[in-house]
This record gives sequence, structure tokens and C-alpha cells, in this order.
Amino acid sequence: DAGVIQSPRHEVTEMGQEVTLRCKPISGHNSLFWYRQTMMRGLELLIYFNNNVPIDDSGMPEDRFSAKMPNASFSTLKIQPSEPRDSAVYFCASRPTGTNTEAFFGQGTRLTVV
Amino acid sequence: AQSVSQHNHHVILSEAASLELGCNYSYGGTVNLFWYVQYPGQHLQLLLKYFSGDPLVKGIKGFEAEFIKSKFSFNLRKPSVQWSDTAEYFCAVNARSNYQLIWGAGTKLIIKP
Repeated sequence: DAGVIQSPRHEVTEMGQEVTLRCKPISGHNSLFWYRQTMMRGLELLIYFNNNVPIDDSGMPEDRFSAKMPNASFSTLKIQPSEPRDSAVYFCASRPTGTNTEAFFGQGTRLTVV
Repeated sequence: AQSVSQHNHHVILSEAASLELGCNYSYGGTVNLFWYVQYPGQHLQLLLKYFSGDPLVKGIKGFEAEFIKSKFSFNLRKPSVQWSDTAEYFCAVNARSNYQLIWGAGTKLIIKP
């Protein structure tokens, strides 16, 4: 398996533009997490899906952020409109069924909003 | 609420020194425990994990961790560090009753050559 695949790897956009980050989890994994990592705030959980259903979105910063998981093999994180303070590395991770399992991380998307 | 505490935010050591990074969690039930490593510019990778059995767990690259249930701790150790161990180390916990991982704030480790 190719692991968790995120795209794009790097994104530079202007303030106010819409940004869409994509994630393909490992096949068979039914838990998916979106994280944001910054120097100031460290690693933050944004949203967690189980079986394509959002279970916990309490970490989503505000209404500008939205996430979807239309099927078991694809998820998106959208920021509209983007702001400079959204600049961060966004990681997607997936995890197999069951709690006795570890999470596998994608390479991340480095977002810069100018 | 569950939480994970990593005692040191930054650790600086010389090569060949011994390492111990602290991790404590707050949850009274059965847990799974993890240490992840993030090398500069890279994603998080699993270093080692504990689910059950021998509380002394050995991971990759000579790392080990000991689960002490009475202390709610899962400290990471390495007898002799190398320059290539420079990275950020994250402790994570999940209660067996749910899927969510709770993360520590991370410890940045710098090894001086």
C-alpha cells in the first residue's frame, strides 16, 4: 500500500481564496483524522471521521473550515476564505478498525496564505 | 477529560548521552500508548506502541518505553543517542473504549554532534 496520500504537498494562495486539501487514506482504514501543525500551537486535531461520519469536529477553528468524507477512500478539508493565520502544515492520518491499532500519517500539505 | 503531558518541551543532549523523555496521561481505564517521531520537515512516524503484555516495549532505532500503570506513565528511553535522533517526539494515548488519539504537546530533541 502507498500509505496515506495527501495533495497538494505545498500550496501558496492569496488571502481570501478558497483552499482545498485532499487525503486518500490507506485502504481498509475506517478512521480518518485531520490535524494542523504550527510552531505556536503544535499539533492540533481538527476533525475525526469514523466510517465516513464526522464524530468530533470540535477542533475545527471556525466556520471558514469544513471537511467532508464522501466515501471511504477520500476526504477533503476546505478553507474558505483563507487567512494568513491559516498558514500551517495540515496532516491527514488514517487508522484501521479497532482501538488496538496505530494511526498512519500522510506527508502533509504545507499551506502558506499570503 | 483525557490528557497527555510531556514534561519537557525542549531537550538538548550530546551524542552518546542517555535519553529519557517523560509522558504521563490522565485516564483511569485501559489505554493504548504510542510514541511517534517527526524528523525535521517530515511527517509523524510510529516509534513504538503498547497495547498489552510486557510493559517494556522495544521500538525502532534502539528506542524503548516502559508502561508503569501505577504512575500513568509511558516514558521513552534510549541508552545512547545519535545526531540522527534530532527530531520532535510525541506521546499519544487512546482509551480502549474509543478511537480518538490524545496527543502530548511534543518534545523537541536536539543532539549536538
